[in-house]
Formats: sequence, C-alpha cells, structure tokens
Amino acid sequence: DGGITQSPKYLFRKEGQNVTLSCEQNLNHDAMYWYRQDPGQGLRLIYYSQIVNDFQKGDIAEGYSVSREKKESFPLTVTSAQKNPTAFYLCASSIRPAPTDTQYFGPGTRLTVL
Amino acid sequence: QKEVEQNSGPLSVPEGAIASLNCTYSDRGSQSFFWYRQYSGKSPELIMFIYSNGDKEDGRFTAQLNKASQYVSLLIRDSQPSDSATYLCAAYPNDYKLSFGAGTTVTVRA
Repeated sequence: DGGITQSPKYLFRKEGQNVTLSCEQNLNHDAMYWYRQDPGQGLRLIYYSQIVNDFQKGDIAEGYSVSREKKESFPLTVTSAQKNPTAFYLCASSIRPAPTDTQYFGPGTRLTVL
Repeated sequence: QKEVEQNSGPLSVPEGAIASLNCTYSDRGSQSFFWYRQYSGKSPELIMFIYSNGDKEDGRFTAQLNKASQYVSLLIRDSQPSDSATYLCAAYPNDYKLSFGAGTTVTVRA
C-alpha cells in the first residue's frame, strides 16, 4: 500500500517549544516538499529536497529546519523562532523535481500554538 | 503580482450545471499546470495536469490552457454535490517550485 504518511495528525505546541513533524513516503520518490497552508490561502513552500542529503529553502523557510538522511523520510522541525506557526502543514513528494512530475500530498498535520 | 491568481469565488452552481474556474499566471516560462481539489480539512488531491495549449478532458473535467494569454481553466460538467470543494490551480515555472493560487471554493446546490 504505497503512499505518503504524516504524523501526528494534530499537534499542539507551547510558546518557545520546538516540534518535529514527520513525513514518510514509500513511493520511491526522489523529491520531497513541505508546504504551509493558512486559512483561505494557497500553499506556500517551506523547504524542498531533490535527493537524499540535499535540501533547499523555499519561500518561507525562516523558523523552520529539515533533514533528508533517508530517501523515505523528510521531517520538518518548527522552531521557537517561527513566530506564527499555527497552520496546516502538508508534505508532498514527486518522482523527480521536474515540471512534468506531479506532486502528491500526504494527509497533513494541523499545528496549533497554545 | 502573485505568480498564480484565481477568481476568488465562492462559486455556487446548481446540480447538473457546468462550473467554470479560471486561473492566470505571471511567469511566461511556466511549463506545466495542475488542478487540485481540496475538501475542507483534507489535503489536496490531483484532478488534472496540462502541459500543451488546448483542451484536455478526463471524465467530467476539462482543463484548458492558453499560453499566449497565460490562462488556464477547469470546467466541471454535470456538477455533483460531491464536487463541492476548494480547487487549487498550480503552475510550474522554470525552477523546482510549484506555485499555487489561493483557491476557488465551489458549492454545488442540490
């Protein structure tokens, strides 16, 4: 059963805490992405990774960090430096980081700051 | 100017009618275009992609691309209540970033 999994589904963070969102895929995709979605807005790219051990900043990388130690995994850490982290976080993957390759999304993690 | 803009909606159509969604993009070098459907509280799911000028049909959905006008649209024929969702248009410019519009919310009235 191939796909993209994200955990947890809901996450609550206290002010000043770092939290890590998990993203795993068993599609054998090279490229993985993290997006943030705020109510009534489109998706904004946080980070992306084209291959293992490589990743690039997207449009809104400040306050976030990632790692890509395995092809299957691309965890996102929301640090205390991110001032407004409450949002819906979506992980995606594609076969390659190419314009002809579709990005497929995981189910998302909804993060709320208490 | 936003890279991808969609008509703001919401769009309300009666069941069985055609829903027409529009999208414009600013980067003339954009190579491919995607339409995603997103139900409330869920993640986006791909409906269609289109690379070439003209129409592309898949079941009740038709995507139309006009690169000269930098315009892409999605038609939903015989709209059903299950089509009620937010539709996201996305364009792939000449780098590795997929740029999304803010989405158009469609409500199909029974």
